[in-house]
Amino acid sequence: AQTVTQSQPEMSVQEAETVTLSCTYDTSESDYYLFWYKQPPSRQMILVIRQEAYKQQNATENRFSVNFQKAAKSFSLKISDSQLGDAAMYFCAYRMNRDDKIIFGKGTRLHILP
Amino acid sequence: DTAVSQTPKYLVTQMGNDKSIKCEQNLGHDTMYWYKQDSKKFLKIMFSYNNKELIINETVPNRFSPKSPDKAHLNLHINSLELGDSAVYFCASSLPLFQPGTVNQPQHFGDGTRLSIL
Repeated sequence: AQTVTQSQPEMSVQEAETVTLSCTYDTSESDYYLFWYKQPPSRQMILVIRQEAYKQQNATENRFSVNFQKAAKSFSLKISDSQLGDAAMYFCAYRMNRDDKIIFGKGTRLHILP
Repeated sequence: DTAVSQTPKYLVTQMGNDKSIKCEQNLGHDTMYWYKQDSKKFLKIMFSYNNKELIINETVPNRFSPKSPDKAHLNLHINSLELGDSAVYFCASSLPLFQPGTVNQPQHFGDGTRLSIL
């Protein structure tokens, strides 16, 4: 069975600094997608960044980038120049290409210190 | 026991038809959501209900209408289906907003309904 593990329940970072959130996953599939979602207090999931497993190049979206290590099954999120609006829960998620179900990690609560 | 269940899992229908997707949660949550997962595989929020009251209504065609008969159910009705409606639709639920001690609680997702328009 596929699992997603986020080992950091909470993290804090000073405003304008860089922070990395870790995520590991377990799967026997070779074709899948990985995501980082942000969950603000309003609760809905907002996509931050997406990575296709077949792509070797790490995805980047403005201040957000990932370090995708397929062999190690690691998918960490780096947030550069942290801003107060980045404070939220962050969920790592996995989805096989041949199935619709999304598997989420338990989340990391990110605090931004002014 | 399934926490968030959606039916049907697969729905194949013709353009112009009206269809419904049902969602039920047995977690006692007050807040429920509908997401659309498009061809690029990421989720986009469509609607959110808190205790039967609409609280999030993103830019979605008015052919889509959520209906919440009680806080355990949030059904999605779609009228005059179009080809672009083909997607996987996910229902989710969570604890109420701003409830103390709930900030680390994630949403619970159903397994999705794959809608295919012919």
